[in-house]
Amino acid sequence: EIVLSQSPATLSLSPGERATLSCRASQSVSSYLAWFQQKPGQAPRLLIYDASNRATGIPARFSGSGSGTDFILTISSLEPEDFAVYYCQQRSNWPPLTFGQGTRLEIK
Amino acid sequence: EEQLVESGGGLVQPGGSLTLSCAASGFTFSSHWMTWVRQAPGKGLEWVASIKQDGSDKYYVDSVKGRFTISRDNAKNSLYLQMNSLRAEDTAVYYCAKVYLPYSSNQIFDYWGQGTLVTVSS
Repeated sequence: EIVLSQSPATLSLSPGERATLSCRASQSVSSYLAWFQQKPGQAPRLLIYDASNRATGIPARFSGSGSGTDFILTISSLEPEDFAVYYCQQRSNWPPLTFGQGTRLEIK
Repeated sequence: EEQLVESGGGLVQPGGSLTLSCAASGFTFSSHWMTWVRQAPGKGLEWVASIKQDGSDKYYVDSVKGRFTISRDNAKNSLYLQMNSLRAEDTAVYYCAKVYLPYSSNQIFDYWGQGTLVTVSS
């Protein structure tokens, strides 16, 4: 089973700042990594798939990079609605499909 | 507009059974792999099971193998999760999700329902 480790657990930033979230895989997942955003009481929302492809309707301030075992989700300039929990997910070697434990992005 | 609506959650005693349903609309249900993902209260996301377009392939996380069964009825545009021998650790919000692109096993979950809560407690 591929384990995904996200860091930091919590990130405190202000609107307008740049956010950098990390996801590290226990073995290579090639580029088969996705990022999701989840707000309280809501379902997860697909942001990025295959490491760097923005999903439909996702603003350009969200970008993804990386391959192999190390991946980054960048939010270039935080908007108030971006404060949420972010999860990475791999589909390289399944079953099982696995998610990271999440990074909480909170307002400083 | 794509829509997924889960139902069937509730309170069940340990050892009991429950069947969840997910009604799909706004896309060609029979062309897409579908999946169930759960989230225990205050915890992260856990993949539970996935099923191929025609139901011929099914995959499960080890913790539910032999207890849960994923199925679908393409004529009714519906996905199901039959859950038996339920345990306290199965308590979670259960989401159904659609896999991106028809006729692809890519396991990119591009649209999710709002979830249904299952509580296993005596």
